Amino acid sequence: GAGVSQSPSNKVTEKGKDVELRCDPISGHTALYWYRQSLGQGLEFLIYFQGNSAPDKSGLPSDRFSAERTGGSVSTLTIQRTQQEDSAVYLCASSLLDFQETQYFGPGTRLLVL
Amino acid sequence: GNSVTQMEGPVTLSEEAFLTINCTYTATGYPSLFWYVQYPGEGLQLLLKATKADDKGSNKGFEATYRKETTSFHLEKGSVQVSDSAVYFCALISYSSASKIIFGSGTRLSIRP
Repeated sequence: GAGVSQSPSNKVTEKGKDVELRCDPISGHTALYWYRQSLGQGLEFLIYFQGNSAPDKSGLPSDRFSAERTGGSVSTLTIQRTQQEDSAVYLCASSLLDFQETQYFGPGTRLLVL
Repeated sequence: GNSVTQMEGPVTLSEEAFLTINCTYTATGYPSLFWYVQYPGEGLQLLLKATKADDKGSNKGFEATYRKETTSFHLEKGSVQVSDSAVYFCALISYSSASKIIFGSGTRLSIRP
């Protein structure tokens, strides 16, 4: 079956612009996660959705970052007024029920802020 | 808060060598522990997991044992292959803390033929 998909695969933007990153989880998966992978860094957890609600937003680095999930499926991560330090690969993952289960990762969106 | 400390890379070994990648953790409660792998050009995928103390996760010849007494979850393989070249991430997931999902910084492994 189809895996987790993300779009766009690459995004180049200018400092100060807003960007939206999209994630389509595996059909039927209740839990959805966003991570950031910066060059030379590990995975940084950003936010976790259970259905449409986000019980854990602890990883969002600033109020420029927000995410929503509608219909228990597609999620959008929005970065407002992008900064150069936002350049990274943004990964989305989903799991069947909750975060104790195996997470299936998408291919990521590579964001470059000039 | 919770944390994961992972062996720094890169690690370079010859084919058929024994592999250990160290992972230690700090956590409240009883976390589940995972190893994820990222092969070149591919997405992250689960390699193995253990959900309670003394459990051993295994897959593709890799093993890791959840050691609560040493707070460790070291990844081992008896005889590595060129195809094992990848980046390996140790991860901790816990219900009982605000820092629920923590990944290590990753260890890049390169295997020489």
